[in-house]
Amino acid sequence: QVQLVQSGAEVRRPGASVKVSCQASGYSFISYYVHWVRQAPGQGLEWMGIINPDGGSTTYAQRFQDRVTVTTDTSTSTVYMELSSLTYEDTAIYYCAKDYRETPDYWGQGTLVTVSS
Amino acid sequence: SYELTQPSSVSVSPGQTARITCSGDVLAKRYARWFQQRPGQAPVLVIYKDIERPSGIPERFSGSSSGTIVTLTISGAQVEDEADYYCYSATDNNGVFGGGTKLTVL
Repeated sequence: QVQLVQSGAEVRRPGASVKVSCQASGYSFISYYVHWVRQAPGQGLEWMGIINPDGGSTTYAQRFQDRVTVTTDTSTSTVYMELSSLTYEDTAIYYCAKDYRETPDYWGQGTLVTVSS
Repeated sequence: SYELTQPSSVSVSPGQTARITCSGDVLAKRYARWFQQRPGQAPVLVIYKDIERPSGIPERFSGSSSGTIVTLTISGAQVEDEADYYCYSATDNNGVFGGGTKLTVL
């Protein structure tokens, strides 16, 4: 069965960076894009970007263009999302999700990133 | 960029029909999807391609589309359907979510 397993919770200082991983299994990893979506406490879902594991091409939401980098390691079927220059407003749960025809269909369990001094 | 607009809350009694709308210009050209999110859980896809229901999603969930407005309908809402619901669409690999609707069933 399709599974996406994300790395554990992280705490970072303002100005630092964080890298979250998402390991996929149960499907052909290079055949489906992977999305990243975040959710601040008590807030809605926010789409951040997407990567094609077959080649590594990416598209990012405009508001994250300068700060987010999504990469893949096809040898381990893992996608990474790195967010830099963190502020308190980046405190959120970060989700990865497998794509099917422009639809995030299977989701990881989420990774809580807390920005705190 | 583009926006999707949802009501912040909808309330129904058990067994009634709940309707949640989502509006946005992009919906006239692109499909909508709907996600259910219960507290503390990851979102779950309940409708894709405006009207299609993934396997395992109860038949009481249905979707419809008219121009720039899409609607998620829950016929005979159950207490367990109480959750946040988000519409979503994408164009040229850029995705956007609606602001979310809190459905209360009581």
